[in-house]
Amino acid sequence: DAKTTQPNSMESNEEEPVHLPCNHSTISGTDYIHWYRQLPSQGPEYVIHGLTSNVNNRMASLAIAEDRKSSTLILHRATLRDAAVYYCILRDSGRDDKIIFGKGTRLHILP
Amino acid sequence: EAQVTQNPRYLITVTGKKLTVTCSQNMNHEYMSWYRQDPGLGLRQIYYSMNVEVTDKGDVPEGYKVSRKEKRNFPLILESPSPNQTSLYFCASSFGRTGYEQYFGPGTRLTVT
Repeated sequence: DAKTTQPNSMESNEEEPVHLPCNHSTISGTDYIHWYRQLPSQGPEYVIHGLTSNVNNRMASLAIAEDRKSSTLILHRATLRDAAVYYCILRDSGRDDKIIFGKGTRLHILP
Repeated sequence: EAQVTQNPRYLITVTGKKLTVTCSQNMNHEYMSWYRQDPGLGLRQIYYSMNVEVTDKGDVPEGYKVSRKEKRNFPLILESPSPNQTSLYFCASSFGRTGYEQYFGPGTRLTVT
């Protein structure tokens, strides 16, 4: 079973910020939080990842709760091209490195 | 150009006829992985490899085999395909385990009749 929980779908208006939540209440101390997105008819692509501190890159920002049991992917100004399925995953730093994607959040952008 | 390539991109085959889907990366990545994607089930990991000659089962390994004889290649083998293996398959690679981004291939759409 997936170790993260995300809403099935969300909607946002174009050119407005989008906050995509993810719960990972059983996260271990050394698990990294990764976000990927999958545009229609394409393979998943990396968005951002972090361990404890908030992270920014050219695509998005990642806000990680102080207790690390949840995180939020922030798209600062959504465009129609951001319509995709967004996956929040944990990368286990233990002995094995299974990756469990879950079903993700389908983000709809309204023009 | 840094990339993960998969071949073939599309394949229609019949039950029981052995097939191999190739995956190759040109980034000297240690970690490689195979996923399948089915409607309503999201992405599920089949097998992964943390280095040459090191492979391990993901969530749905039944009916699949893999090998990692060279760092760049990670073929997925279906020895006796069945219709329930009809799916979209993705190969991915990354430098290492936890703190590194994965690069995904373009996908292989497999239909088993």
